[in-house]
Amino acid sequence: DAKTTQPPSMDCAEGRAANLPCNHSTISGNEYVYWYRQIHSQGPQYIIHGLKNNETNEMASLIITEDRKSSTLILPHATLRDTAVYYCIVRVATSGTYKYIFGTGTRLKVLA
Amino acid sequence: DADVTQTPRNRITKTGKRIMLECSQTKGHDRMYWYRQDPGLGLQLIYYSFDVKDINKGEISDGYSVSRQAQAKFSLSLESAIPNQTALYFCATSASGGGNQPQHFGDGTRLSIL
Repeated sequence: DAKTTQPPSMDCAEGRAANLPCNHSTISGNEYVYWYRQIHSQGPQYIIHGLKNNETNEMASLIITEDRKSSTLILPHATLRDTAVYYCIVRVATSGTYKYIFGTGTRLKVLA
Repeated sequence: DADVTQTPRNRITKTGKRIMLECSQTKGHDRMYWYRQDPGLGLQLIYYSFDVKDINKGEISDGYSVSRQAQAKFSLSLESAIPNQTALYFCATSASGGGNQPQHFGDGTRLSIL
């Protein structure tokens, strides 16, 4: 029931920018887009989130299109340690709070 | 996040046993959550707590109970474990104040019930 769609896998050369796309065409006007990643056997790691303006932090940049139907996560200088599954998430209301639906994500492989 | 610590990391036990999974956090967050992750099914919310005196059921609370002993501690209990509770369990925290605060996850507890 994920509200987002992502390519299943991508490769990126070490040191280059990794651009991970996400479609969220049914997002509502006040919903944020969140990005997490999960490295095997670890918990989901928060990366960044945004509403409509582009965002940047020490890990990544998030570019959201003007119509908010898609976004791109940018890792500016990918390293081998960035190899992980990346999830683009729009929260879903449930039981009085929100839950995160982790879809299939994009498996990013950074190549030496 | 090292700021959200779950213990134990792995547990194998038998049907009918009582099990407690523990979560502690140093992030100073008011809100805490328990999820389970099954292969191909993503995360399902079990219970959540917005402060020490607040406990709320999630989507799949049957067979589970929780205790919020302090702001920093939130434990999950399986009163009488059954094999279909075999899963990866995650604890998460978030700050209060504004509905957009991201959740931060621990590294999980892998629970196997034989």
